[in-house]
Amino acid sequence: KAGVTQTPRYLIKTRGQQVTLSCSPISGHRSVSWYQQTPGQGLQFLFEYFSETQRNKGNFPGRFSGRQFSNSRSEMNVSTLELGDSALYLCASSAGTSSLDEQFFGPGTRLTVL
Amino acid sequence: SQQGEEDPQALSIQEGENATMNCSYKTSINNLQWYRQNSGRGLVHLILIRSNEREKHSGRLRVTLDTSKKSSSLLITASRAADTASYFCAVTGGGNKLTFGTGTQLKVEL
Repeated sequence: KAGVTQTPRYLIKTRGQQVTLSCSPISGHRSVSWYQQTPGQGLQFLFEYFSETQRNKGNFPGRFSGRQFSNSRSEMNVSTLELGDSALYLCASSAGTSSLDEQFFGPGTRLTVL
Repeated sequence: SQQGEEDPQALSIQEGENATMNCSYKTSINNLQWYRQNSGRGLVHLILIRSNEREKHSGRLRVTLDTSKKSSSLLITASRAADTASYFCAVTGGGNKLTFGTGTQLKVEL
């Protein structure tokens, strides 16, 4: 089975722009979670989707949003980018019905905001 | 927050030695997981231990869980240079999300 894929792998944006990141989970996985990783804050949970519904959300401002499609692929969007949004954004999928199970991570999208 | 806290933050050992890293958390959990991350890439799941388990093995990995002390340890035996990575514990408790610790950076030198 192909692993979790994320596109693009690298992205450079300027402040005020918006960005959309994409994640394709492992075939058959219905739960997709997103995480932000920075040197200062570590790994922080953004949100989790299951069957096109957001099931859980972390403590991020409304500029961070996401969605999941009927084929389980997921996108996250960050509007009005700030310098502090520079981070590695990781997507993970799981085979179980919740994100409490083993998570399979993609390689991440490295976002740099200038 | 029930975020896991790893100890030590950094660990440097020689190839062939054992590496032990610890994780402490704050509230009751459903399970605890350990992940490895190489050089800012995606995380790889190592092992999951449920709250009613005390010890689990997988290859050269041994994980223990002490729910009374709210702590877990990961032991890597006979370490190799390829084990050089950051190791994170992650806990699941109330709510449907995984909360990661701060990580231990392990360096295995030849």
